[in-house]
Amino acid sequence: ELKVEQNPLFLSMQEGKNYTIYCNYSTTSDRLYWYRQDPGKSLESLFVLLSNGAVKQEGRLMASLDTKARLSTLHITAAVHDLSATYFCAVDILGAGKSTFGDGTTLTVKP
Amino acid sequence: DVKVTQSSRYLVKRTGEKVFLECVQDMDHENMFWYRQDPGLGLRLIYFSYDVKMKEKGDIPEGYSVSREKKERFSLILESASTNQTSMYLCASSADRRSYGYTFGSGTRLTVV
Repeated sequence: ELKVEQNPLFLSMQEGKNYTIYCNYSTTSDRLYWYRQDPGKSLESLFVLLSNGAVKQEGRLMASLDTKARLSTLHITAAVHDLSATYFCAVDILGAGKSTFGDGTTLTVKP
Repeated sequence: DVKVTQSSRYLVKRTGEKVFLECVQDMDHENMFWYRQDPGLGLRLIYFSYDVKMKEKGDIPEGYSVSREKKERFSLILESASTNQTSMYLCASSADRRSYGYTFGSGTRLTVV
């Protein structure tokens, strides 16, 4: 059974600071996704990582994937209030077309 | 852009009612999913479907059924709604078994009273 663990689950940051969210998973996979969810809203796709060493960046967020370590990171650079949200990682079971989600990291960026 | 449309944003139903939650996607995706999301419990998979007329149980199928008569439409049915089914329901779709991630609908917040 594929298990996906995110940490931390809750993160309070000051604006302008950097931080990293970690996503570990338990079995072989080379497909990992990051989603963002704003309060009361649905999930929207942020990054699709499809191979070992993949790195994607958008604005102040950068995601990377290390399939050998079964680890993805979501790095936040110079946080701003608009980044406050819950971030989920999800990993595909190979060939199953179905993702397993982490529990989500709720990020609060304070002025 | 792929769109996944859920028919209702908010829904209030009475205990014992039969409830239909509808989901339609417009990009010819093969896979469709129903999740519920509750505070502290994350996303829990109820049912999914890889093709028309096919369905597979997820982690918490009890009290629910689904229907997929057309490729673009995946319906979640609460046969007899109960208060413990009050939740946010999220529909999602993905291209096929190779996936590349999900596209989610906007969610239906269901309250059973």
